[in-house]
Amino acid sequence: GAGVSQSPSNKVTEKGKDVELRCDPISGHTALYWYRQSLGQGLEFLIYFQGNSAPDKSGLPSDRFSAERTGGSVSTLTIQRTQQEDSAVYLCASSFRRVGSGNTIYFGEGSWLTVV
Amino acid sequence: AQSVSQHNHHVILSEAASLELGCNYSYGGTVNLFWYVQYPGQHLQLLLKYFSGDPLVKGIKGFEAEFIKSKFSFNLRKPSVQWSDTAEYFCAVNLNRDDKIIFGKGTRLHILP
Repeated sequence: GAGVSQSPSNKVTEKGKDVELRCDPISGHTALYWYRQSLGQGLEFLIYFQGNSAPDKSGLPSDRFSAERTGGSVSTLTIQRTQQEDSAVYLCASSFRRVGSGNTIYFGEGSWLTVV
Repeated sequence: AQSVSQHNHHVILSEAASLELGCNYSYGGTVNLFWYVQYPGQHLQLLLKYFSGDPLVKGIKGFEAEFIKSKFSFNLRKPSVQWSDTAEYFCAVNLNRDDKIIFGKGTRLHILP
């Protein structure tokens, strides 16, 4: 597709269940980011993938959160044993190669997660 | 740690008023700077960016921002706002040697018709 695609767009889950959120970056983009957007908290960096390099996981809030990227393209963010404080919009973004080289990151529509 | 501060959390203006949204960052090295906008019900999109060169950057929809290195600032401006500028605005910084982009908490702008 032309843009970053995320699924599901909305997810309601019960506390304690695991959830998987999927991101399809723009074709040809080597960099992929996950952010979390909560009301009043702005965008919180979670994890960053660049090509085949080891991901930067420094933003993951706990060991319940993990992400993988298969084949350098699609990424899945997994939240285990969800808690109510995990409720937020999870945003995926991608860029062509390195942002530090002048490239722009493009965001998807987000996956709205509600934990009840 | 690298951080971005947006001091105005919620701004309300009338149409045709001038706008300035503050953004300060906390890193002394070479940085790349961005403003993103999120219109109601839409995804984040790039408004403008600074990588090098002229510190006065012009973006879409009449917005501009000025990078003042000595003040660690990258304030967003527009001389005359429109009702359609109602949105949330995010400032972001990227260290030139890194690819992680850190965002501020955002400023909600509400324009009265």
